Amino acid sequence: KNEVEQSPQNLTAQEGEFITINCSYSVGISALHWLQQHPGGGIVSLFMLSSGKKKHGRLIATINIQEKHSSLHITASHPRDSAVYICAVRSATGANSKLTFGKGITLSVRP
Amino acid sequence: SQTIHQWPATLVQPVGSPLSLECTVEGTSNPNLYWYRQAAGRGLQLLFYSVGIGQISSEVPQNLSASRPQDRQFILSSKKLLLSDSGFYLCAWSVRTAVSNVLTFGAGSRLTVL
Repeated sequence: KNEVEQSPQNLTAQEGEFITINCSYSVGISALHWLQQHPGGGIVSLFMLSSGKKKHGRLIATINIQEKHSSLHITASHPRDSAVYICAVRSATGANSKLTFGKGITLSVRP
Repeated sequence: SQTIHQWPATLVQPVGSPLSLECTVEGTSNPNLYWYRQAAGRGLQLLFYSVGIGQISSEVPQNLSASRPQDRQFILSSKKLLLSDSGFYLCAWSVRTAVSNVLTFGAGSRLTVL
């Protein structure tokens, strides 16, 4: 069983829809990251969170430590949100702590 | 501001040829540096990380090696490429503190071994 599971694997939405992407993990963590990978391959870090909720523009990330689950929400989705969204967890603190990545979810937002 | 440069962006190499991918970071000192590989249909896999000049940790046994000759330079190499080395390679850096471990990625290098 993978340590980080993301669902759904592929997601198609209509412009304007509210989108939720899920991430579940099976180990204790110190932090969880949400990353966005554009079609060209470049990766951008969206959020790092260890508890509660963070918001940036139309993006909201939440985490439930007890349930080992995080969600990324996109409000008023737009075609430019089309990308691969990757969840990653960090299992320990310190300079040599490592990230374990999910396989990512491919989101397509249709105009 | 900090920037990370990675090159070449695209590379097509024959089996058995050498490889050198280079990554440099600007605007920061003593960063943690990482090399990741993303194979088709799989998550990012950490290949190497470095906490200082000449300090390299390898995560998986493989046909590749890494070096850090300068504080802000990280090089991924191979003496003889295999078909299985094809993939998308990403360099990343993070601030060397326990509080902030946010990764900043380079644009990636797509390697095709024929």
